[in-house]
Amino acid sequence: GQNIDQPTEMTATEGAIVQINCTYQTSGFNGLFWYQQHAGEAPTFLSYNVLDGLEEKGRFSSFLSRSKGYSYLLLKELQMKDSASYLCAVRDSNYQLIWGAGTKLIIKP
Amino acid sequence: TAGITQAPTSQILAAGRSMTLRCTQDMRHNAMYWYRQDLGLGLRLIHYSNTAGTTGKGEVPDGYSVSRANTDDFPLTLASAVPSQTSVYFCASSDGDRAEQYFGPGTRLTVT
Repeated sequence: GQNIDQPTEMTATEGAIVQINCTYQTSGFNGLFWYQQHAGEAPTFLSYNVLDGLEEKGRFSSFLSRSKGYSYLLLKELQMKDSASYLCAVRDSNYQLIWGAGTKLIIKP
Repeated sequence: TAGITQAPTSQILAAGRSMTLRCTQDMRHNAMYWYRQDLGLGLRLIHYSNTAGTTGKGEVPDGYSVSRANTDDFPLTLASAVPSQTSVYFCASSDGDRAEQYFGPGTRLTVT
């Protein structure tokens, strides 16, 4: 079966750094996505990795290791507005997205 | 640009009734998707369409049907609603099945 694992919830302090991990087992791999979803809102695209390594976009970075079936999203200089759920999704051999349940990130002052 | 719109925003529906959730995009994206999101679970794909005139089944298609008569619209129909279809429904679109997906604001459906 196909499986995406992420921690259910994490807590971090404003101004700090947090790393959200995602491990996956899917039938084929055609890229990994990270989305942000604020409570009661739609998911919005954050990052995309298809090759191994780090992709940096402002305060957010995403890392991929295809051999380990592993990715992480790194958020720096945390702000209160970063309180949200972060969704990991893998595009499988049929080019469909398989989604993790999401990690709820709580930012404390 | 509106992006993707969905209607209604929320709905309470009696079991056994039918309902169509509407989705319209103005980005001229070829691919469109319907997901349901339930607490503690990842987004699950119900149906998809790679281009106007074609549709496909996702992970959880039973009890739902879709049509894609044109590029912009992708309605989702529940023929006879059951309480297990209580969920938040998101429509999404992408510029081909290899691109990131853009999501509509969602429809919160409660089946009683």
